[in-house]
Amino acid sequence: DAKTTQPPSMDCAEGRAANLPCNHSTISGNEYVYWYRQIHSQGPQYIIHGLKNNETNEMASLIITEDRKSSTLILPHATLRDTAVYYCIVRVWSGGSNYKLTFGKGTLLTVNP
Amino acid sequence: GAVVSQHPSWVICKSGTSVKIECRSLDFQATTMFWYRQFPKQSLMLMATSNEGSKATYEQGVEKDKFLINHASLTLSTLTVTSAHPEDSSFYICSALPTGGKTEAFFGQGTRLTVV
Repeated sequence: DAKTTQPPSMDCAEGRAANLPCNHSTISGNEYVYWYRQIHSQGPQYIIHGLKNNETNEMASLIITEDRKSSTLILPHATLRDTAVYYCIVRVWSGGSNYKLTFGKGTLLTVNP
Repeated sequence: GAVVSQHPSWVICKSGTSVKIECRSLDFQATTMFWYRQFPKQSLMLMATSNEGSKATYEQGVEKDKFLINHASLTLSTLTVTSAHPEDSSFYICSALPTGGKTEAFFGQGTRLTVV
């Protein structure tokens, strides 16, 4: 399974952009990168995913390097409510049309006033 | 849209009893659902993958006879913790993968199980 490496924690000032890095150097050509976040004692919330092109939605932007070995999640204007653990996950096919999401340790992002 | 609901949100049970946790996709059908367990200050650990109408696939080290999974319909999967012990106390989270279309899985709010 492709594994991901993320810094254990990061700080960001409210209103600033938060850039969360992720390394996934063993990713295969057909494996997607997903980002979820988990606010304390809640279920994870889907943020964004991508294969090789950069992606943007109402929550965030995902920048994937050309060699696909790393990516960066960008929260353009962080708010206090964005304080959470952010997980970068490589989606792995588990047979047939199934896949599974294996969570690593994630990055605790703390947005400070 | 894409709401996944778990019930109950929290439960306390006595050692030796069984507890059933429900996971429902409220506004979409889900052929595949996943069950995770999360201990304090740790990440989510995938326990099993369930497919509607077939047996669940358990991850290595997860006892299938202790954690019974049933996925009888496209909107409901259940996890039953049998003969619960205090070490089974944990945060149990399900996620559902919409059938066709979207490729992202959506998560329930989790169930806090405490075995006393």
